[in-house]
Amino acid sequence: AQSVTQPDIHITVSEGASLELRCNYSYGATPYLFWYVQSPGQGLQLLLKYFSGDTLVQGIKGFEAEFKRSQSSFNLRKPSVHWSDAAEYFCAVGPAQTGANNLFFGTGTRLTVIP
Amino acid sequence: GAVVSQHPSRVICKSGTSVKIECRSLDFQATTMFWYRQFPKQSLMLMATSNEGSKATYEQGVEKDKFLINHASLTLSTLTVTSAHPEDSSFYICSAKTGLDGYTFGSGTRLTVV
Repeated sequence: AQSVTQPDIHITVSEGASLELRCNYSYGATPYLFWYVQSPGQGLQLLLKYFSGDTLVQGIKGFEAEFKRSQSSFNLRKPSVHWSDAAEYFCAVGPAQTGANNLFFGTGTRLTVIP
Repeated sequence: GAVVSQHPSRVICKSGTSVKIECRSLDFQATTMFWYRQFPKQSLMLMATSNEGSKATYEQGVEKDKFLINHASLTLSTLTVTSAHPEDSSFYICSAKTGLDGYTFGSGTRLTVV
């Protein structure tokens, strides 16, 4: 069965510090992997996605993520966090195939940025 | 890029009444839409998958008679919460599949049942 684990419920970092949000997945085949960000009371905005090819994926807002098949991980990173990055971050996995298939989400990591 | 417009963003209704939430794909045709429910500080839980012109597929534990989903056109899917109760208060988000590998989300609807 598919599952997505985000081990960190809440992370606090100082503005300007680096950030890494962890994501591990369990999937029967090679998945599509996504990171989304959600501000309070808002929908989800796609940060980046991985389907194949280069395992280091660049996204919007200076975020990147690295797919590590051996570790079943897709961790999100940013070298220098801005106060506006404070939000909820969700890792998601989807099927690497055509068809009407939904995404499975992790439980999310809430990021707090302190001055 | 693909945009999904979800309306209303917030709604307060009385217990026992029904509420309709709309999701429209503005610049593409959405053959498939997904409806999620999100409890405070929790993840998104898939409620149902709707396909244009056919009946929705509900996840286990979701009451199809309570959460009516209609996907009558390629640009509109609706979720109606019937006979709403306070425990139905939640954040509801729709998502449309765009092509083989894209998912676009609406901005969500905060439902409060009083």
